[in-house]
Amino acid sequence: KQEVTQIPAALSVPEGENLVLNCSFTDSAIYNLQWFRQDPGKGLTSLLLIQSSQREQTSGRLNASLDKSSGRSTLYIAASQPGDSATYLCAVRNYGQNFVFGPGTRLSVLP
Amino acid sequence: EPEVTQTPSHQVTQMGQEVILRCVPISNHLYFYWYRQILGQKVEFLVSFYNNEISEKSEIFDDQFSVERPDGSNFTLKIRSTKLEDSAMYFCASSEGSGQYNEQFFGPGTRLTVL
Repeated sequence: KQEVTQIPAALSVPEGENLVLNCSFTDSAIYNLQWFRQDPGKGLTSLLLIQSSQREQTSGRLNASLDKSSGRSTLYIAASQPGDSATYLCAVRNYGQNFVFGPGTRLSVLP
Repeated sequence: EPEVTQTPSHQVTQMGQEVILRCVPISNHLYFYWYRQILGQKVEFLVSFYNNEISEKSEIFDDQFSVERPDGSNFTLKIRSTKLEDSAMYFCASSEGSGQYNEQFFGPGTRLTVL
């Protein structure tokens, strides 16, 4: 059964820093992996989708990488801004199954 | 930009009552999903729906739950007899396809409070 963990659980950084959020999964036979952002009390906003055949995806200041063999994905945020403050969720799909979510990393970017 | 919408944003109900949560997926999407998030816990998959049929459901999705696409735009989740532990945020999502390149897009959620 797929299990997804995220480290750290919470992170507080000053504005302008580059930062890395980590996602680990136990079953490496994944179909795809999607990173989401969740603001307090709100829905999930899709950030990046990485297919199993890809190693990374980029969107603006965000870069997500995937290493299936080690069961890891990282989300890199460049030049962080206070507006980036949110919880970041990693979700993993295996073949024939639906998403398994991690617990999230709560990010605070201080002005 | 097209988005998934959900109504109501907050529903309060008494234990044992039936509730229907409504979603309007993105118009050209064919796959629909419900997830829930109990306060402070992970987002959990409930059910996926395609071609007017349930394609997959989790252990959570028992006989108390049902889904329906009553017309060409709405997708509903019904809970027949609510329990206290059904209190959660319920998210609807949709995707164009089920391939590995298909993103799922989520709605803003309905907060269900069972008293």
